[in-house]
Amino acid sequence: DAKTTQPPSMDCAEGRAANLPCNHSTISGNEYVYWYRQIHSQGPQYIIHGLKNNETNEMASLIITEDRKSSTLILPHATLRDTAVYYCIVSPGGKLIFGQGTELSVKP
Amino acid sequence: ETGVTQTPRHLVMGMTNKKSLKCEQHLGHNAMYWYKQSAKKPLELMFVYSLEERVENNSVPSRFSPECPNSSHLFLHLHTLQPEDSALYLCASSQGIKWRQEKNTEAFFGQGTRLTVV
Repeated sequence: DAKTTQPPSMDCAEGRAANLPCNHSTISGNEYVYWYRQIHSQGPQYIIHGLKNNETNEMASLIITEDRKSSTLILPHATLRDTAVYYCIVSPGGKLIFGQGTELSVKP
Repeated sequence: ETGVTQTPRHLVMGMTNKKSLKCEQHLGHNAMYWYKQSAKKPLELMFVYSLEERVENNSVPSRFSPECPNSSHLFLHLHTLQPEDSALYLCASSQGIKWRQEKNTEAFFGQGTRLTVV
């Protein structure tokens, strides 16, 4: 079973920051927080992952709380092409168990 | 382009047919995975291969038969499927599997094969 909890859906205005929350209160010390997204009927796309520290790349930022029980994925300037299902997954690596994710709709 | 290529992209087969799905990765990874995604459901992990050895089989019916001849190729052989097996089948690869204490990277996915069983 997936070990994360995410809101089923969120809306975001185009050009604004999208902040997607994830709870993972049972995360183990060796587990990373991974974020993937899936645009309709395509393969999931890797976004970012982290262990303890906040991470940033060209796609997004990942903020992990100090107790590691929750995290937030930030898309700084959402575009219509960011409309997708976003999955937060905790894993030691390699094998990924997907939950329902958050369906993000970016609106003009 | 993720470096993981799946063929065919679309497949329609009858319940008595035998077909195979192919996955090829050009990333130098040593672990490969098959996932199934039915309509409106999360991805389900089917099989895990590490260094060409099957290390996980998540209660998948025997009508699905995986094969990993080398670390770059993964097949899913299909026979006597049912209509409820219609789904998007996704392949992924990664460098290592954490529980084997190997250096690990994130997994990359192919675009999937949309399978329809009639």
